[in-house]
Formats: sequence, C-alpha cells, structure tokens
Amino acid sequence: DAGVTQSPTHLIKTRGQQVTLRCSPKSGHDTVSWYQQALGQGPQFIFQYYEEEERQRGNFPDRFSGHQFPNYSSELNVNALLLGDSALYLCASRTSGGETQYFGPGTRLLVL
Amino acid sequence: RKEVEQDPGPFNVPEGATVAFNCTYSNSASQSFFWYRQDCRKEPKLLMSVYSSGNEDGRFTAQLNRASQYISLLIRDSKLSDSATYLCVVNYNTDKLIFGTGTRLQVFP
Repeated sequence: DAGVTQSPTHLIKTRGQQVTLRCSPKSGHDTVSWYQQALGQGPQFIFQYYEEEERQRGNFPDRFSGHQFPNYSSELNVNALLLGDSALYLCASRTSGGETQYFGPGTRLLVL
Repeated sequence: RKEVEQDPGPFNVPEGATVAFNCTYSNSASQSFFWYRQDCRKEPKLLMSVYSSGNEDGRFTAQLNRASQYISLLIRDSKLSDSATYLCVVNYNTDKLIFGTGTRLQVFP
C-alpha cells in the first residue's frame, strides 16, 4: 500500500520563476492538503482540496494556487517566486470521513 | 500571540531519562489534539492523538487540559531513537492542522 508520494524531492528556482509541485495521496484517500514548512518552524496550512475544489485556505497570497485531478492527485503552483518561498512543501492526505492526515516526504524548494 | 506555542528546546537528556514537553493553544474552539514526531529532513508522522481523559501508548503519555488550553507529552525511559522534533498540533476542523514550532529532543548515551 503506497503512502503519500510527492515529486520532485528537491528543486532549485530563481526569483520570479514559477514552480509546480505534485502529490499523489495514499490509496483510498480523497482529500489533499498542502503545507509549507520554513526552516525551524512548524508546517503552515496553505489549502485543502476535495472533489477537485479548494475547500479551505490559509493565509497565503494568490501566488499560491492548486488543483486536484479526478484521480485525487494534486498540484501546488507558486508564481513569481520570492526568496521567502524557500521551504519544505508537504502534502497530506486523508479520507473524507477520516481525521488522521498522512504526510508525504515533501518537496524541498530553494529560491535563489 | 501564536496559535500553538511550544518551548523549542533543545532538550538534551541521557538514555533512560523521563522528559516532558508542554504546549499551549489559544483557540478554545479547538476540537482535536495531536503530537507529531518529525525526524531531521523528514515528514511529520503522527505519534499519538490526545484525549481529555489522557492516553498512553507504551512509553508515551499524553494529557489535555481544556480549561487551561494545555497539552503535554511525557516520554519515559528515553531511547536514542527518540531523538527528533516533537510537534504539538491542534485542529479546529478536519481540514486545517495548526502546528507549533516543535520541541527538539536529543537523547545521548
């Protein structure tokens, strides 16, 4: 039973560029959330997708957008990258009726 | 004020020691409470949920005090493998987890 997978594992971009991160949820899970974890901080909620719609959003600018596909996989897009966007981006999935969220290994983004 | 506050540590303890971590949360509407463990450069993993009655899982005991908005984690007989960052987490609904900054634990031989 595959857990949550994310790609790529690492990414280096320059300021102003755009990036797309991908997530495949755990088998049987239909709800995907994205979190940003800066160095030395706890993860911060970006948004959550269910039934291909954004259901809730944290305090992140519109430069952060996402998408969920019919197979429940999800993408996180960040436009006009800033140095401060450098972080570990975590995807978490759960079933629609479940409470426990399972995290993927993350994508480590460095913006130069 | 942060929504979830933890002492960042580090806590340096010898093997076999008992160590306790504390956490406070600001929103009294919080519904669910968890401790997650995060190893260096890895993803957070659920250690245990926290219930008002208190709960135990082997060497780990978690307590919740809703009146004081306080959560604790007690680790008995510390092992080298317990070295990690422990994240206190609250949940207002099932869509958004609120994490503390984490408490770093280092267990030495």
